[in-house]
Amino acid sequence: AQRVTQPEKLLSVFKGAPVELKCNYSYSGSPELFWYVQYSRQRLQLLLRHISRESIKGFTADLNKGETSFHLKKPFAQEEDSAMYYCALSSFSGNTPLVFGKGTRLSVIA
Amino acid sequence: NAGVTQTPKFQVLKTGQSMTLQCAQDMNHNSMYWYRQDPGMGLRLIYYSASEGTTDKGEVPNGYNVSRLNKREFSLRLESAAPSQTSVYFCASRGVSSGANVLTFGAGSRLTVL
Repeated sequence: AQRVTQPEKLLSVFKGAPVELKCNYSYSGSPELFWYVQYSRQRLQLLLRHISRESIKGFTADLNKGETSFHLKKPFAQEEDSAMYYCALSSFSGNTPLVFGKGTRLSVIA
Repeated sequence: NAGVTQTPKFQVLKTGQSMTLQCAQDMNHNSMYWYRQDPGMGLRLIYYSASEGTTDKGEVPNGYNVSRLNKREFSLRLESAAPSQTSVYFCASRGVSSGANVLTFGAGSRLTVL
């Protein structure tokens, strides 16, 4: 069964501090992992996906198959990073629906 | 391009009433989805349609029906609304856009059942 676990419901950090949003997954095949973000009063949007290996808005995430993790990191948090973050997983082929974690609300304090 | 468009944005129903949430996408995507978003529960899949003419149940299908009217449109119907269906509903579509096979969401529909 596919499962995505985000252990923190809420994460509060000070502006300029490093951020790490945790995501662990369970999947029997080859997964594709995503991070989606929802800013206040906006629709969910893709932040990044593991196969693209990009840095978006200063965020990076590395897929660790040994630890079945896909943690989202940013070295210096900004106030505009405050949002709801969802980790999601589907099959690498894209043939299965995305399964989402319960989300982590990031609050960056000035 | 509008992307994924959902209507209505807000709706208040009384218990037992019925309603249909409409969703349309203009990206020529094959797959479409309905999720509900509840505090502390994240996004849960209600129904999806992998292609025109097919629909499948997701994690929480009870109390809902769907119709994939054509490639563009995927509607969600509540036949007899219950307070437990108070939620924010998101439609999404998935397909190759700008070279990436990703999920694109609508703006959401906030439903309150009294």
